[in-house]
Amino acid sequence: GAGVSQSPSNKVTEKGKDVELRCDPISGHTALYWYRQSLGQGLEFLIYFQGNSAPDKSGLPSDRFSAERTGGSVSTLTIQRTQQEDSAVYLCASSSQPSGMEETQYFGPGTRLLVL
Amino acid sequence: QQQVKQSPQSLIVQKGGISIINCAYENTAFDYFPWYQQFPGKGPALLIAIRPDVSEKKEGRFTISFNKSAKQFSLHIMDSQPGDSATYFCAARGGKGSARQLTFGSGTQLTVLP
Repeated sequence: GAGVSQSPSNKVTEKGKDVELRCDPISGHTALYWYRQSLGQGLEFLIYFQGNSAPDKSGLPSDRFSAERTGGSVSTLTIQRTQQEDSAVYLCASSSQPSGMEETQYFGPGTRLLVL
Repeated sequence: QQQVKQSPQSLIVQKGGISIINCAYENTAFDYFPWYQQFPGKGPALLIAIRPDVSEKKEGRFTISFNKSAKQFSLHIMDSQPGDSATYFCAARGGKGSARQLTFGSGTQLTVLP
């Protein structure tokens, strides 16, 4: 595809419900990242996938958050038992040169999650 | 150790003026310093980036100045235009092991007045 795509673009859910956010990276990109952007804040790293390696989950804020990447392409971020503090924009990025010095991460438009 | 501090939080500049945004970091293991530009409703897009072995990089109206000893770097936008109005984020990439993620500053909302 032309760029990173994410769906849904907006999601409103009730506290306690589970949500799934989807990311389609740029075709051929081996690295995929999830970030969270709270209102008026910078981006916070959540998780990183690189090829078939074990993902770097060091940024996940709690065990309610999980992510998977199927077939080295599409990724799904799942938030269980959502809380109001989970409300944020969830951004996905992909890159083709994670080990290169000048790696460019290409970001999708994000999913705006609102937990009521 | 992983923090990147960015200032100012907001900036208003007249058209044709120079916009300057500053960032400071603590972790000397960071090995790559990109700046991202974000328009409302869009994801961030890479604007310009620099490696720590270079003191300055210029691309068109955008320049990064990098001071390794002070652990500071800044973005200069020359001849600022209303179309430059956006939020700008500095970032730093971890240089160890699998620490490939970017650590972002808190962002600067730039408004260029016509």
